[in-house]
Amino acid sequence: AQRVTQPEKLLSVFKGAPVELKCNYSYSGSPELFWYVQYSRQRLQLLLRHISRESIKGFTADLNKGETSFHLKKPFAQEEDSAMYYCALSPQGGSEKLVFGKGTKLTVNP
Amino acid sequence: ETGVTQSPTHLIKTRGQQVTLRCSSQSGHNTVSWYQQALGQGPQFIFQYYREEENGRGNFPPRFSGLQFPNYSSELNVNALELDDSALYLCASSLIGAPGWTQYFGPGTRLTVL
Repeated sequence: AQRVTQPEKLLSVFKGAPVELKCNYSYSGSPELFWYVQYSRQRLQLLLRHISRESIKGFTADLNKGETSFHLKKPFAQEEDSAMYYCALSPQGGSEKLVFGKGTKLTVNP
Repeated sequence: ETGVTQSPTHLIKTRGQQVTLRCSSQSGHNTVSWYQQALGQGPQFIFQYYREEENGRGNFPPRFSGLQFPNYSSELNVNALELDDSALYLCASSLIGAPGWTQYFGPGTRLTVL
C-alpha cells in the first residue's frame, strides 16, 4: 500500500528558528517524493522534489530510504513561510497519481 | 502561458443529483489529473487522462467519470451525489515526457452536497 504520513497537523515556530516538517512514506518500490505548499488564498504548488536535490526558498529535503522519510527543513524560518505543506509521493516517477499526506499547517510567529 | 483554470468556483447540489466540473489545462500540457480534497485532508487521486484516455484511477466508484477533449481540457462528472462527495475538487495538468515535469494545480471547485 502507498501511504504518506505527516505526523504534525500543526506546527508553530518563531521567526528565525529552525523548522522541520516531518514526512514518512510507505511504498515497496522507489517512489519519487515531493513537497507541495499552499499559501493563504493561493493554489497548491510544487515546492521541491527529491530528484532535483535543490534548495527552494531556503527549504531542503533529503530522502532517507532506510527510514522511509522525506523531512522538509529550513534553518531560519520567515513569516512568509506560514502555509499548508503537503508531502506527496508518486509511485512511478510522477507520471501518474500523487499520493498526499494530510498536510501540516506551519505558522511562523514574529 | 496561461495556468490551469477550473469552473465553477463553487456550487451547491442535493443528494442524488449529477454534477459536471470543468478544467482547462495549462497551455502545452497533455495530461489532466483530478483530485478530491475533503476538509482537513490531503488531496486524493480520482483519475488521470492522457491523450483522451483514462490513464490510471484511484479508489473511487464508477459514478465518478471523466473526459478529456482534443484541446486537453477536461470534465469530471459525478452521478448520484452523496453527502460525502462534498469536497474541494482539484484539477492538475502536466506534460508527460518533459524532463523534470510536474503537476500544476488549478484553484479548485468547492462542491457542497445537501
